[in-house]
Amino acid sequence: NAGVTQTPKFQVLKTGQSMTLQCAQDMNHEYMSWYRQDPGMGLRLIHYSVGAGITDQGEVPNGYNVSRSTTEDFPLRLLSAAPSQTSVYFCASSPTRPSGYTFGSGTRLTVV
Amino acid sequence: AQTVTQSQPEMSVQEAETVTLSCTYDTSESDYYLFWYKQPPSRQMILVIRQEAYKQQNATENRFSVNFQKAAKSFSLKISDSQLGDAAMYFCAYRRREYGNKLVFGAGTILRVKS
Repeated sequence: NAGVTQTPKFQVLKTGQSMTLQCAQDMNHEYMSWYRQDPGMGLRLIHYSVGAGITDQGEVPNGYNVSRSTTEDFPLRLLSAAPSQTSVYFCASSPTRPSGYTFGSGTRLTVV
Repeated sequence: AQTVTQSQPEMSVQEAETVTLSCTYDTSESDYYLFWYKQPPSRQMILVIRQEAYKQQNATENRFSVNFQKAAKSFSLKISDSQLGDAAMYFCAYRRREYGNKLVFGAGTILRVKS
């Protein structure tokens, strides 16, 4: 089915470990974004991309890296996990024409 | 910077009745989009309805409708004939029309539906 695919769905990390959250979409969307969801704070933008090879920081970028080598993929890297990064992470994509974003199913990350 | 405020952390409604969720936003832009997303316990983000700021007519999708007051920067969601499946977290979100590559979210409102 067409959409945004995120993996893994759940992950537990130890403080200091690194990992990559995967995101892929098959709708040929130019825009892709990563958000984190924390209780009482809604979703906050971490990084976003307006096309292959172009990325920029969002509201809460510290501790995360992204790259966009293809239109389809937009991985999020945690460089050295910290307990403050315990959260639910969503990847989303959208065409350039104004419309709602399509979201992945989310990744629940716990850093211990 | 744009901000979105949802002042109701939780709301309750009796099944088959109507409930309104509030949202206000702050922007200096004149052309933008507003959205309501639903997040059930499954965690999936589901687009409920969207409103284009240059359209005066309020958007409607079946039992869901909005009251868009551009001058007041208010965007409330009305759910009619509430059903048990409507129970979820609801997020209001804003997106600029031009270079609209970012969604700005409110903190969310938990809606509980009583049978």
